Amino acid sequence: DADVTQTPRNRITKTGKRIMLECSQTKGHDRMYWYRQDPGLGLRLIYYSFDVKDINKGEISDGYSVSRQAQAKFSLSLESAIPNQTALYFCATSDPGGGQSSYNEQFFGPGTRLTVL
Amino acid sequence: LAKTTQPISMDSYEGQEVNITCSHNNIATNDYITWYQQFPSQGPRFIIQGYKTKVTNEVASLFIPADRKSSTLSLPRVSLSDTAVYYCLVGGANNLFFGTGTRLTVIP
Repeated sequence: DADVTQTPRNRITKTGKRIMLECSQTKGHDRMYWYRQDPGLGLRLIYYSFDVKDINKGEISDGYSVSRQAQAKFSLSLESAIPNQTALYFCATSDPGGGQSSYNEQFFGPGTRLTVL
Repeated sequence: LAKTTQPISMDSYEGQEVNITCSHNNIATNDYITWYQQFPSQGPRFIIQGYKTKVTNEVASLFIPADRKSSTLSLPRVSLSDTAVYYCLVGGANNLFFGTGTRLTVIP
């Protein structure tokens, strides 16, 4: 969805480096999410935020941290990257109860492919 | 956290109707049933959502029996471009579990 953008789209880094993945949205949604996807597997929720003052851990938050700088921005950080964090990372937004989307409808960004050597 | 079970993969010929069934025995009273489609290297895309009975939109139909312990996504007359992974999810907006999905391959 073009209204949800992620930067960078691809990143190669080394073990132990700190890295930040950024997500921006122009949909005006309060809720934002970070997922990771490993090859051949489904998406797993890392963190989610219901508004700028609300941050919640997901299924696999260890090794990750997030920052909700504004309604439109939600960043994911890997403080000390390790090879098993190599994956495709997706950001998503939602507006449950919003007039123009369904209750469980999330809008996904294009993804960031992260490789940790 | 309600989880789902769906076939790992399915094949279908172009032009056929495809039905993908998902079981969710632990669905809670307030849970919705939602289906997403994902193409390689892209984020999932919402297809359809329902609570009970039948829901139809321009892309698919969703059939939900009275006990809500399963649901069936129906794709009419599939084309090659429908080759993708389809995820069945149950829950609310803050506790969706994607699982591994069903990989649908449409054959010419």
